Amino acid sequence: SQQGEEDPQALSIQEGENATMNCSYKTSINNLQWYRQNSGRGLVHLILIRSNEREKHSGRLRVTLDTSKKSSSLLITASRAADTASYFCATDATANAGNMLTFGGGTRLMVKP
Amino acid sequence: ETGVTQTPRHLVMGMTNKKSLKCEQHLGHNAMYWYKQSAKKPLELMFVYSLEERVENNSVPSRFSPECPNSSHLFLHLHTLQPEDSALYLCASSQDVGFAGDHEQFFGPGTRLTVL
Repeated sequence: SQQGEEDPQALSIQEGENATMNCSYKTSINNLQWYRQNSGRGLVHLILIRSNEREKHSGRLRVTLDTSKKSSSLLITASRAADTASYFCATDATANAGNMLTFGGGTRLMVKP
Repeated sequence: ETGVTQTPRHLVMGMTNKKSLKCEQHLGHNAMYWYKQSAKKPLELMFVYSLEERVENNSVPSRFSPECPNSSHLFLHLHTLQPEDSALYLCASSQDVGFAGDHEQFFGPGTRLTVL
């Protein structure tokens, strides 16, 4: 079964607003990662948060992790039209061999100028 | 640029054709991956190579055959594909440190495959 589930599946906001995407997972993890994908292109790693971390920042990105609820959120502040893309969470589960990630279905974000 | 290149970027093939997808990473990584991305489905891991040995083969049909001749190159050989195999095929690489750690993956731009 799918490890990561993003919510919402699609999100449309105006430029300058904040965008929040959520991810839930099922099993114990070593870390959780967020990736971005522009239409028809490869994924780009955004940020990684370890299981012993609760919050992490990178520029306009803020990621939280709640291991008790098995959930994470990605906040993009002051969004720009260029942030339009699909965003995926990926989990590095403790049960996996050391280098495998399980990806969720993604959130499609549209930022309107 | 992520340091991972894939060729071709687009491929159209008939069900009886044989073709190969190529991936090359310039990052000095020792693990490489093939993923399949279909419309409205999560990214599916197909194959993982670590230190040039295959460690995962998620029940992929035998019409997909991977090859990893060295740590920088990965191929996906295709033969007698079905129309439902049409998808974006993504290659990725990472540094496998051999234990639970931070395994950020770097992706290529993908090959858009259409099977007629």
